[in-house]
Amino acid sequence: GDSVTQMEGPVTLSEEAFLTINCTYTATGYPSLFWYVQYPGEGLQLLLKATKADDKGSNKGFEATYRKETTSFHLEKGSVQVSDSAVYFCALSVGSGYSTLTFGKGTMLLVSP
Amino acid sequence: DTGVSQDPRHKITKRGQNVTFRCDPISEHNRLYWYRQTLGQGPEFLTYFQNEAQLEKSRLLSDRFSAERPKGSFSTLEIQRTEQGDSAMYLCASSGGVGETQYFGPGTRLLVL
Repeated sequence: GDSVTQMEGPVTLSEEAFLTINCTYTATGYPSLFWYVQYPGEGLQLLLKATKADDKGSNKGFEATYRKETTSFHLEKGSVQVSDSAVYFCALSVGSGYSTLTFGKGTMLLVSP
Repeated sequence: DTGVSQDPRHKITKRGQNVTFRCDPISEHNRLYWYRQTLGQGPEFLTYFQNEAQLEKSRLLSDRFSAERPKGSFSTLEIQRTEQGDSAMYLCASSGGVGETQYFGPGTRLLVL
């Protein structure tokens, strides 16, 4: 079946440090890939997505590139802020029309001043 | 539109009681999803509606769980004879139109004592 594997957290960084959160996937079809973010006490928010190989999704300084050859979709940000502290989920969906999301376990990011 | 809303945000109940949660999707979205998220895990798919029709149910959705979307607008998720293992965050998402991105509500956190 489809699955997503993320690096375990928490990831602890100082403000302005470079961030990488690794995500790899296994899918029976040709998936779309997503990063969602969950701030404390809030629901999931879509951060970025990519729908085909070599696409780069980007938003709020975060980027991730769909790598079919390595089945990866790593999340990066050049300079993190305290306000980026949250839990980040990598997810995939397969199929057109409707398709359910398969999530990784999430990676907590803690950024200190 | 202010996004997907869920009610209540928190629910504490005793084992054996019935509970019902409500989800109001983004008004123009015809697809609605329910997910369950336990502590330290990513969300897991429960069930999916297109308009008023329930088209897919996960094996996680035992006979004690029932979901409805009577007029293709809001949806309810009922859990009968709750068990301590039902304690989780129940998330609702909706999608529609181009791209089919799922937008999540804030969730209902259930605690079964």
